[in-house]
Amino acid sequence: NAGVMQNPRHLVRRRGQEARLRCSPMKGHSHVYWYRQLPEEGLKFMVYLQKENIIDESGMPKERFSAEFPKEGPSILRIQQVVRGDSAAYFCASSQSSTGELFFGEGSRLTVL
Amino acid sequence: QQQVKQSPQSLIVQKGGISIINCAYENTAFDYFPWYQQFPGKGPALLIAIRPDVSEKKEGRFTISFNKSAKQFSLHIMDSQPGDSATYFCAASGMMGSTLGRLYFGRGTQLTVWP
Repeated sequence: NAGVMQNPRHLVRRRGQEARLRCSPMKGHSHVYWYRQLPEEGLKFMVYLQKENIIDESGMPKERFSAEFPKEGPSILRIQQVVRGDSAAYFCASSQSSTGELFFGEGSRLTVL
Repeated sequence: QQQVKQSPQSLIVQKGGISIINCAYENTAFDYFPWYQQFPGKGPALLIAIRPDVSEKKEGRFTISFNKSAKQFSLHIMDSQPGDSATYFCAASGMMGSTLGRLYFGRGTQLTVWP
């Protein structure tokens, strides 16, 4: 019974490159959330998706960041033209419903050189 | 602004002691209050959660106390063990509008339990 799977676990990019983070939710879960964690800080909500729909993207920067959860395949968080300030741990979580328990993956740690 | 305020930022407790972490919130639309435990390099894992219809919930050594009128809730870890050393996050979410489906996290408390 696999949990939330995220890859890559670690990603290094140079400024200006693109970063793609993938998340496969738990089996039977159709709600996916992305959170960002900076050192010494809590997790900040970025975006909430259901299959093929973005439900709430109010926590996501307006530029360079995008997210999708296609009908088939994992959810993708895409960061274009990365800057040093994008360096953080990005966590994906999934749930069975909008009010259900959230299960988190182990995170993808992005380092921008 | 920080919707959920957590204190203390760090806590050192002797083995066998009681660890207490406090959180406060403002948004009355919140109706679900979970606590997460996070070890270094890992994702947060749900520890225990409470809804406002009860004032206390206990699971093993972990207890949540909830004060709806004061808009505060706290985590008590009884008989703290070195294995409890981790970062603890309180969070809140609701069922309406911008609170639906998203957790608002406190900034975390780094707990160290000395043997």
